Amino acid sequence: SQQGEEDPQALSIQEGENATMNCSYKTSINNLQWYRQNSGRGLVHLILIRSNEREKHSGRLRVTLDTSKKSSSLLITASRAADTASYFCATGRSNNAGNMLTFGGGTRLMVKP
Amino acid sequence: DAGVTQSPTHLIKTRGQQVTLRCSPISGHKSVSWYQQVLGQGPQFIFQYYEKEERGRGNFPDRFSARQFPNYSSELNVNALLLGDSALYLCASRVPTEGDGYTFGSGTRLTVV
Repeated sequence: SQQGEEDPQALSIQEGENATMNCSYKTSINNLQWYRQNSGRGLVHLILIRSNEREKHSGRLRVTLDTSKKSSSLLITASRAADTASYFCATGRSNNAGNMLTFGGGTRLMVKP
Repeated sequence: DAGVTQSPTHLIKTRGQQVTLRCSPISGHKSVSWYQQVLGQGPQFIFQYYEKEERGRGNFPDRFSARQFPNYSSELNVNALLLGDSALYLCASRVPTEGDGYTFGSGTRLTVV
């Protein structure tokens, strides 16, 4: 079963605009991660935010986490055509070996040049 | 350094057959996880291995099995293939400490006919 649910499922914007994707989850978490996937290939880790953090930045990416609402958002500023991809949130449950990730269904982002 | 490598990249099998997928983690990574991604959906957790021991198992039938070798490479085996097993199978490795996400391979595309 999928823990996270992304919203919207698909998003189409013009180059230069900002893109915002939202993720909701159901159970308590250790951390929440965002990944990017191009055309059904491997996933690329973008950013991880711990459960005791509220906001994190990495380049043009900004992630927020609201544990009281069990939700997170990913903002991509000044989007580029190369940002076209599917974006997934994944909640992490830790054990001694690391995190087991539960992914949402993803947001398919298209950035038009 | 090489990333996570998976083989083969593509595979076509017939219903009822057995398949073995292979994964080599990044050098020094002792934790390997397997995920199944059906077209149009997010990845689903299958197995996690650390130091050659199974540390986590997702909601998959016993037809799915895996193992990890002393060099930390891993194999995923699926017996009695069904059409519904057609998917992208992703392997991921990670240093089991907080703060870092997983590094995924490019996956094996399995088609069952």
